Amino acid sequence: AQSVSQHNHHVILSEAASLELGCNYSYGGTVNLFWYVQYPGQHLQLLLKYFSGDPLVKGIKGFEAEFIKSKFSFNLRKPSVQWSDTAEYFCAVNAPGGSQGNLIFGKGTKLSVKP
Amino acid sequence: NAGVMQNPRHLVRRRGQEARLRCSPMKGHSHVYWYRQLPEEGLKFMVYLQKENIIDESGMPKERFSAEFPKEGPSILRIQQVVRGDSAAYFCASSPGGRRFSGNTIYFGEGSWLTVV
Repeated sequence: AQSVSQHNHHVILSEAASLELGCNYSYGGTVNLFWYVQYPGQHLQLLLKYFSGDPLVKGIKGFEAEFIKSKFSFNLRKPSVQWSDTAEYFCAVNAPGGSQGNLIFGKGTKLSVKP
Repeated sequence: NAGVMQNPRHLVRRRGQEARLRCSPMKGHSHVYWYRQLPEEGLKFMVYLQKENIIDESGMPKERFSAEFPKEGPSILRIQQVVRGDSAAYFCASSPGGRRFSGNTIYFGEGSWLTVV
């Protein structure tokens, strides 16, 4: 079965530190890739997505992600985190052969940013 | 512009009862998706519906679970004869549609938390 792995369950950083959250998926064909964020008490929001083209994707709030096909990875980065980035981050892939909206999610990474 | 609206936000049911979760998609969206998040797990796709049609139910449990999206009104996820293992957060999402996944973003609601006691 296809799967998405997020390497870190909980990451704790100080403000201004750089962030990289790992995401690997198990399918070798064409995929659509997403990062979602869930702030405390709120709904999932799309941070960024990759469908095709430039493998370096810019998202909202200063986030970016790089699609490395050879490594089956789509890691999320931010050069300098803020306290307001405290949230849970989910990587997702559009299921190969699946219908639209049929996303496979990783288990999520909780990010805590210390002021 | 209201987002995806789910209700109730929290629902407590005794084992054997029925649970009904409702989802109103964003204005102008004709496609609805239901996901379930069990404790310590990621979101799992359950079903994809368009108005009056089930497009993909590959993630739905074979028994006790059903979903509909009628011509009028919200989408309903129905769980009959609930068991403790059904306790989870159920998220609804919607999108504008299109015949293929052409880049439409799906927008999530805030979720409905079901607790079975």
